[in-house]
Amino acid sequence: AQSVTQLDSQVPVFEEAPVELRCNYSSSVSVYLFWYVQYPNQGLQLLLKYLSGSTLVKGINGFEAEFNKSQTSFHLRKPSVHISDTAEYFCAVIRRSGGYNKLIFGAGTRLAVHP
Amino acid sequence: GAVVSQHPSWVICKSGTSVKIECRSLDFQATTMFWYRQFPKQSLMLMATSNEGSKATYEQGVEKDKFLINHASLTLSTLTVTSAHPEDSSFYICSARGQRSGANVLTFGAGSRLTVL
Repeated sequence: AQSVTQLDSQVPVFEEAPVELRCNYSSSVSVYLFWYVQYPNQGLQLLLKYLSGSTLVKGINGFEAEFNKSQTSFHLRKPSVHISDTAEYFCAVIRRSGGYNKLIFGAGTRLAVHP
Repeated sequence: GAVVSQHPSWVICKSGTSVKIECRSLDFQATTMFWYRQFPKQSLMLMATSNEGSKATYEQGVEKDKFLINHASLTLSTLTVTSAHPEDSSFYICSARGQRSGANVLTFGAGSRLTVL
């Protein structure tokens, strides 16, 4: 079963508009959730993570995400995007397997910010 | 903060040759390292997990004889793509978990792009 699902493969948005990138996780995995950003030809940068505590998590670059247990979601939001936010965004979840905590990624959402 | 360095960042090789990619934790000791593979416009797929001083654990469908992983020290893991073929062309990314970091916090390298001609 898919551990984490990103519902949108691409999200086009105009500069300064709000954006939400959707992520749902399988209830069979842990509730350690992450959002990463990947700029072209680069590695991954951690935006934010939920391990425990407050369900509203604030990250870098003005992003935030809300952990919703009843809806098994961890959607990423930003109230006003910039051109520089254009990148690939990955939702990820920890899955325990073979004695290790492994980070499993969703398919990714391409955020394209237009002027 | 924790830094993971990968080398080379870009490599081109001929079909049939072997290529080694290094992953180093620069300012912390990495007890566990993970290797991922990313095809163009796709997500990261976990290939294997390695602990320092022990054999790597490979994910289902990953050929352990094709992708040799060595984690000989707490700061270095290597991935060797043996007898590389064009279908092995991909972006390879490593990540590391340190002794002091939480069990669920990983630091990623910048990735290594392999092109096999």
